Amino acid sequence: GAGVSQSPRYKVAKRGQDVALRCDPISGHVSLFWYQQALGQGPEFLTYFQNEAQLDKSGLPSDRFFAERPEGSVSTLKIQRTQQEDSAVYLCASSLLLAGGLNEQFFGPGTRLTVL
Amino acid sequence: AQSVTQPDIHITVSEGASLELRCNYSYGATPYLFWYVQSPGQGLQLLLKYFSGDTLVQGIKGFEAEFKRSQSSFNLRKPSVHWSDAAEYFCAVGARSGGYQKVTFGTGTKLQVIP
Repeated sequence: GAGVSQSPRYKVAKRGQDVALRCDPISGHVSLFWYQQALGQGPEFLTYFQNEAQLDKSGLPSDRFFAERPEGSVSTLKIQRTQQEDSAVYLCASSLLLAGGLNEQFFGPGTRLTVL
Repeated sequence: AQSVTQPDIHITVSEGASLELRCNYSYGATPYLFWYVQSPGQGLQLLLKYFSGDTLVQGIKGFEAEFKRSQSSFNLRKPSVHWSDAAEYFCAVGARSGGYQKVTFGTGTKLQVIP
């Protein structure tokens, strides 16, 4: 089937604007992750959903970042009042939820956010 | 908390030459280790993973990695590099966290392949 898809692929925002980034996980994947990848860095964990429940949001950098997955499938990462330091690639990944939590995460192509 | 160090930011090899990318991890328990590859504009693709068992792990595209607990290392190797291997490579360590796996990535090694 189809892999993880993300939209838009590119987003340019003026400082102070709100943005919404969408992730469509692989069908049937219970787990969904958001990562932030700054230029020249590895991805950094932002938040984790198990179905519609947000079980871990310890990586969200500020209260301007908000994520939701209301029906346990599509997820949206929202950034309010964007700042230049928010410029990064935002990656979404999904996985099955297997016993012991040992499972492969499948990544989408990412959304490149540029804040001017 | 777990962490990953990839000491080489950029590596250049000739096509056909062998390759070794270094990775050192820090984690208090038995680690779950991964290597991912990222081509420009693409998402991360899993090359291989180590959870337990044989310490020499075979992956896709002819890559392999060896887990050495005594050295806290998980180096990636390929005997003969192809031009299409040019990409950025990320080592990662996973830890169980309340029933799911929380993955921490290194900063990546960018591989350039010259003819």
